[in-house]
Amino acid sequence: AQKVTQTQTSISVVEKTTVTMDCVYETRDSSYFLFWYKQTASGEIVFLIRQDSYKKENATVGHYSLNFQKPKSSIGLIITATQIEDSAVYFCAMRGMNYNQGKLIFGQGTKLSIKP
Amino acid sequence: DPKIIQKPKYLVAVTGSEKILICEQYLGHNAMYWYRQSAKKPLEFMFSYSYQKLMDNQTASSRFQPQSSKKNHLDLQITALKPDDSATYFCASSQDEDTANSDYTFGSGTRLLVI
Repeated sequence: AQKVTQTQTSISVVEKTTVTMDCVYETRDSSYFLFWYKQTASGEIVFLIRQDSYKKENATVGHYSLNFQKPKSSIGLIITATQIEDSAVYFCAMRGMNYNQGKLIFGQGTKLSIKP
Repeated sequence: DPKIIQKPKYLVAVTGSEKILICEQYLGHNAMYWYRQSAKKPLEFMFSYSYQKLMDNQTASSRFQPQSSKKNHLDLQITALKPDDSATYFCASSQDEDTANSDYTFGSGTRLLVI
């Protein structure tokens, strides 16, 4: 069975700094996809970035980037130049390639607080 | 304009009653899902539908029944409500259920409180 684990319950950093959030996963699929989502204080859940397991290059979108370490089954999210509005809960998720593994499995989430 | 509409936004129900949570998506997606979020299990997968057919069901209780009257609708009927059913229920959609690299778009959720 697939499993996603985020051990950091909460993180607090000062605005304009860089923060890294950890995520490890378990899967038997040879190919899979890893996602990060953000849930704002209003409850809205928004897709941020995706990493394809067969790509060696780390994905980057705006000030979000990933640190994909396949041998360690790890996919960290890096946010550079953080802003107050980045305060939210961040979820790591994965989805396998097999037909019956199509659902998106989420980690427990990490609450990020950005202080001025 | 919201691309996935969930109604109602808030719902208070009495133990033992029945409620229907509404979800409509206007993204032209072929797959729809229900997730439940509570303090105990954040973003727990419940159901997936593709072209109005049930593809996966991870909900142990038959009290939870998805209903798809149209391709862009996936409602969730909950019967014999229990206080443990209190949670926020999110509807989501993606282009296709078997396209593993497609991300999900989530609705704003229905917050259910069972008293």
